[in-house]
Amino acid sequence: EADIYQTPRYLVIGTGKKITLECSQTMGHDKMYWYQQDPGMELHLIHYSYGVNSTEKGDLSSESTVSRIRTEHFPLTLESARPSHTSQYLCASSVTGGRQETQYFGPGTRLLVL
Amino acid sequence: AQSVAQPEDQVNVAEGNPLTVKCTYSVSGNPYLFWYVQYPNRGLQFLLKYITGDNLVKGSYGFEAEFNKSQTSFHLKKPSALVSDSALYFCAVRDRDTGFQKLVFGTGTRLLVSP
Repeated sequence: EADIYQTPRYLVIGTGKKITLECSQTMGHDKMYWYQQDPGMELHLIHYSYGVNSTEKGDLSSESTVSRIRTEHFPLTLESARPSHTSQYLCASSVTGGRQETQYFGPGTRLLVL
Repeated sequence: AQSVAQPEDQVNVAEGNPLTVKCTYSVSGNPYLFWYVQYPNRGLQFLLKYITGDNLVKGSYGFEAEFNKSQTSFHLKKPSALVSDSALYFCAVRDRDTGFQKLVFGTGTRLLVSP
């Protein structure tokens, strides 16, 4: 198991609420990623970061925002949750250079917006 | 642009039989190729990767994959399947020449191993 953590694991929340999904890793990886995955379906990259104070939007448009103030922490925020945001959110990290190209994933947060 | 195709939504195999999960890829340069497994209600778990060198890559839990450049394939194999191998398997590719670490994932193949 990789040292990458996500909280909460499950979240049920009402429409219009602001939520933050936490992701942290203790591997010292510089790059971090957020993916969105509907159950049993493919992964879509929604945000990534090359390092502190660096964030980029991914391939799938998302209403969420991210921040990277510390190397180990990459939270994702939804200002106003909607039922269309119901999905699983996976965080991953990787380290630059050498042969260490592998992305390691957290356990995921399963979000249900009512 | 890079892409990955997993042509089978589901693969069914009996326990003890060999299994193959197919993956083909498309990149403009040279590929890094990965296989991940996902168990229910879990994140993705890294199985193996091809970076360079030997075309046959051995990974976790007895899995292996063969890189075939001419066929642009990276099929996942295991000589003898276990019921516990039942899960969702994702192939992923990254173009090593782009300098980015974004992975492109396939749509996933569900492996069902029957007792």
